Amino acid sequence: GQNIDQPTEMTATEGAIVQINCTYQTSGFNGLFWYQQHAGEAPTFLSYNVLDGLEEKGRFSSFLSRSKGYSYLLLKELQMKDSASYLCAVSLIGEDSSYKLIFGSGTRLLVRP
Amino acid sequence: DAMVIQNPRYQVTQFGKPVTLSCSQTLNHNVMYWYQQKSSQAPKLLFHYYDKDFNNEADTPDNFQSRRPNTSFCFLDIRSPGLGDAAMYLCATRGNLGDTEAFFGQGTRLTVV
Repeated sequence: GQNIDQPTEMTATEGAIVQINCTYQTSGFNGLFWYQQHAGEAPTFLSYNVLDGLEEKGRFSSFLSRSKGYSYLLLKELQMKDSASYLCAVSLIGEDSSYKLIFGSGTRLLVRP
Repeated sequence: DAMVIQNPRYQVTQFGKPVTLSCSQTLNHNVMYWYQQKSSQAPKLLFHYYDKDFNNEADTPDNFQSRRPNTSFCFLDIRSPGLGDAAMYLCATRGNLGDTEAFFGQGTRLTVV
């Protein structure tokens, strides 16, 4: 089966850096996404990795190692508004060439002053 | 302008009374997804489409069905809602290739009374 793991909760201080890890065991891997979700709202796209390495986008960076089944999201210069859940999602290609997007359980990040 | 629109935002239904949730998109995306998300949990994939080709996840209850009459519209039918079906239902669309992000609607929060 497909398995995606993330820590349940993390706490960090405003202005600091935090790294949220994601490990996955899947078949048909086709890329990995990170989404941010505030309580009661829909997920919003943050980043996408399909090749190994680091993708940087402003205060957010994401890293992927396909051989290790591992990704992380790095948030720099944390702001209070970054308090949210961060969802790791794996894109899978099925035998019928359909594309599924499967989410991990999410990491709830609390940013403190 | 919203690109993926879900109606209604909030739906209250009676136990056992059929209910339909709707999703429309202006992106002309072939791929559409329906997710169920309960409090503090990951979005759980219920169904996905590539155009009209339909796939349901193995553990999606028979109580849930979906229709996609054309590219723009998709419906989620819950034949006999139970208390355990109360959740946020998210619709998402995606480009034709597996390397594009998924765009989410605002979700429909379903309450069963």
